[in-house]
Amino acid sequence: GENVEQHPSTLSVQEGDSAVIKCTYSDSASNYFPWYKQELGKGPQLIIDIRSNVGEKKDQRIAVTLNKTAKHFSLHITETQPEDSAVYFCAAPAPAGNMLTFGGGTRLMVKP
Amino acid sequence: DAMVIQNPRYQVTQFGKPVTLSCSQTLNHNVMYWYQQKSSQAPKLLFHYYDKDFNNEADTPDNFQSRRPNTSFCFLDIRSPGLGDAAMYLCATSPRTGGETQYFGPGTRLLVL
Repeated sequence: GENVEQHPSTLSVQEGDSAVIKCTYSDSASNYFPWYKQELGKGPQLIIDIRSNVGEKKDQRIAVTLNKTAKHFSLHITETQPEDSAVYFCAAPAPAGNMLTFGGGTRLMVKP
Repeated sequence: DAMVIQNPRYQVTQFGKPVTLSCSQTLNHNVMYWYQQKSSQAPKLLFHYYDKDFNNEADTPDNFQSRRPNTSFCFLDIRSPGLGDAAMYLCATSPRTGGETQYFGPGTRLLVL
């Protein structure tokens, strides 16, 4: 099955700085890579995703890059704001079961 | 305009007393999922329905059951909750399985006394 590793587990940045979270996956056939943001006491919410036919996707301050050869993808948040503080999860599908496998999560803290 | 609704948001039950959590969706998605999430961990898939077809994860305890009476509703039944079952339970939906976005509800936090 798919194995997804996410780093770092915690990340603290100053407001206005950039934050980068990286995930690696094991199944070379995986073709869809979402990122979820989970605020305290709430369910995960999709913030951006990328499919294997593109290398980068951007939505305002958030971008995701994908390196299929190296089997890793990254979330980039620029000009961080205190409201970006949350736990972020990456995920990748396991083609055999078609289920999403989640990374372990990254707790991002943005200091004002 | 809530799309995936979970009730209740907080549930307190006693050790061994059956409890049911509910989920409803307005997206008309074929697939509904139940996840268990413990503090500071990733969501762990318990099972999912594709239409009426039930798919159990291999490591989901028998204590957890599910029902999907129609497209819109799905229930999680915990037959005899133990202290270790205290967690956030998340419902999610997607149009299909595979490379599809999953839409999560707000979760139900279960406390077992």
